[in-house]
Amino acid sequence: DADVTQTPRNRITKTGKRIMLECSQTKGHDRMYWYRQDPGLGLQLIYYSFDVKDINKGEISDGYSVSRQAQAKFSLSLESAIPNQTALYFCPPSCLAGETQYFGPGTRLLVL
Amino acid sequence: AQKVTQAQTEISVVEKEDVTLDCVYETRDTTYYLFWYKQPPSGELVFLIRRNSFDEQNEISGRYSWNFQKSTSSFNFTITASQVVDSAVYFCALSEAIQGAQKLVFGQGTRLTINP
Repeated sequence: DADVTQTPRNRITKTGKRIMLECSQTKGHDRMYWYRQDPGLGLQLIYYSFDVKDINKGEISDGYSVSRQAQAKFSLSLESAIPNQTALYFCPPSCLAGETQYFGPGTRLLVL
Repeated sequence: AQKVTQAQTEISVVEKEDVTLDCVYETRDTTYYLFWYKQPPSGELVFLIRRNSFDEQNEISGRYSWNFQKSTSSFNFTITASQVVDSAVYFCALSEAIQGAQKLVFGQGTRLTINP
């Protein structure tokens, strides 16, 4: 496993609130990602990062921002949460294309 | 663009039956990777297998087996002698290289229910 820690594991917030989801990994992977899984659906990529100076948008980046504070840490922010952002969020790191990504338990977010 | 289709939204079988989950993919890449993940009710995504596009050998791991056929762009997953613990949502995914990183394109998932 890639030893990834996501905090919080569960969060309930209200519409309009700012919220940050944090992700840290201990394996030294340079690439980190944020995915979102809507209830009953597959996963979609929000943002990805090669290193602290390189941040890239995925397919559903609107309404989100990220910060790569260090190689091991990649945070996802919802500036003004909306109910449509209720989902399970995953932060799987990896090194190279084709490498297996381990997703872990994720962060479950409910926006009321 | 890459695409993964899991046409079976839900499957329900009785314990000990064999069950096959279908996965069909679309890609223009000559080198790519395919994955299967299991998502039990806890929500965690559990990695099951990775297959690269150059390796068409079928894979067997205990009661699990995978049939990769490049000619039909399919990567199907069979559970033999299913058990209640196999109940979960199963996702097939295809790697897409993006500027040296990897994006996984997921299918919609198949919810598998094994009834005792």
